[in-house]
Amino acid sequence: AQKVTQAQTEISVVEKEDVTLDCVYETRDTTYYLFWYKQPPSGELVFLIRRNSFDEQNEISGRYSWNFQKSTSSFNFTITASQVVDSAVYFCALSEKDTGGFKTIFGAGTRLFVKA
Amino acid sequence: DVKVTQSSRYLVKRTGEKVFLECVQDMDHENMFWYRQDPGLGLRLIYFSYDVKMKEKGDIPEGYSVSREKKERFSLILESASTNQTSMYLCASSLWGGGAANEQFFGPGTRLTVL
Repeated sequence: AQKVTQAQTEISVVEKEDVTLDCVYETRDTTYYLFWYKQPPSGELVFLIRRNSFDEQNEISGRYSWNFQKSTSSFNFTITASQVVDSAVYFCALSEKDTGGFKTIFGAGTRLFVKA
Repeated sequence: DVKVTQSSRYLVKRTGEKVFLECVQDMDHENMFWYRQDPGLGLRLIYFSYDVKMKEKGDIPEGYSVSREKKERFSLILESASTNQTSMYLCASSLWGGGAANEQFFGPGTRLTVL
């Protein structure tokens, strides 16, 4: 069965610190997709990144970077030089093939507080 | 930009009432989803739909039903609302990706309180 674990419920950092949000997943499929979403205080979830199971290349986008390691079933997210605007709840998600399409399971989320 | 709209931001209903939550997307997406979000539990999938008139149960379908008569609209129905259905309900849509899972676009959510 698929499962996504975000062990960190809340993280608090001071602005300009680096912070890593952990995500560990479980799946029996060889083809799957991993996602990160951001939910700012306004409430609407916003897509950040998608990775497929065949592409373990790490990705960097500005201050954001993602480390995908199949050997440890992890897809961790790092924010470098955090800013107050990064304060949000971050969700990791796993999509697996299901009848007719893909079914997505979300982790419980990590609430990040960035203090000025 | 993809836009997913939900009929209400806040809704208060009484136990036993039938409740309709509406979701509309304007980008011709094939896939639509209903989730509920509760503190400490993240998002849990209630129902999803890959096409008009098609529906699939998610992880917590009990007490809910859905309707998708048109491609752009996906309705969540609480047949007889109960207090344990008090939650934030999120609708999402995504483009059918063939052999791939695409990102989902979310609506602003409906915070439902059942008294």
